[in-house]
Amino acid sequence: EVQLVESGGGLVQPGESLGLSCVVSGFTFSNYWMAWVRQTPGKGLEWVANINTDATTKNYVESAKGRFTISRDNAKNSLYLQMTSLRVEDTAVYYCARSSNGAFDLWGQGTMVIVSS
Amino acid sequence: DIVMTQSPLSLPVTPGEPASISCRSSQSLLHSNGYTYLAWYLQKPGQSPQLLIYLGSYRASGVPDRFSGSGSGTDFTLKISRVEAGDVGVYYCMQLLRTPLSFGGGTKVEIK
Repeated sequence: EVQLVESGGGLVQPGESLGLSCVVSGFTFSNYWMAWVRQTPGKGLEWVANINTDATTKNYVESAKGRFTISRDNAKNSLYLQMTSLRVEDTAVYYCARSSNGAFDLWGQGTMVIVSS
Repeated sequence: DIVMTQSPLSLPVTPGEPASISCRSSQSLLHSNGYTYLAWYLQKPGQSPQLLIYLGSYRASGVPDRFSGSGSGTDFTLKISRVEAGDVGVYYCMQLLRTPLSFGGGTKVEIK
């Protein structure tokens, strides 16, 4: 069965750090670009970052540059998002997604990140 | 950056009737390879988004043929030929031509 399972979300204070993980199964992880997308409560979707198959190319939304780091471990079928200097506006559900044929064709169930004092 | 604009914001529909959602991009989404990097997603209540249409007009695996995507350049349309109760949720368009990748604001489809 094809699956993407995120973990690592939680409640943190502004300025703190948090690391998210996404473990995939059911497909050859190393063949696909991957991405993180977030959704603020009651709002729409925002692309956060993506990474190519061998982690040599990484792209970020402007608000994440310098604070978030996307990475992957193909041997562990895992995608990561390390978030530092978290802000209240980073509060969201974070989804990992597989990129294929010019779209995000598979999504995880999401993990909630709450940044609040 | 490419801005995606969807309309309408809300769409009450009658089961069995057709429905149409519009999406406009601030720049052409046509790649030099000839493909248009526009996708449509449906997020049903309490669920993650699911892919409906990719590269402008290709239906994703398992998507009923009631759903179709059309358009070119900067203007795109998602059509549902006959709406069913299970089609309710928020529909998003998304451009994947260049970073930062961007989504439309969403169209909430609900049954009248």
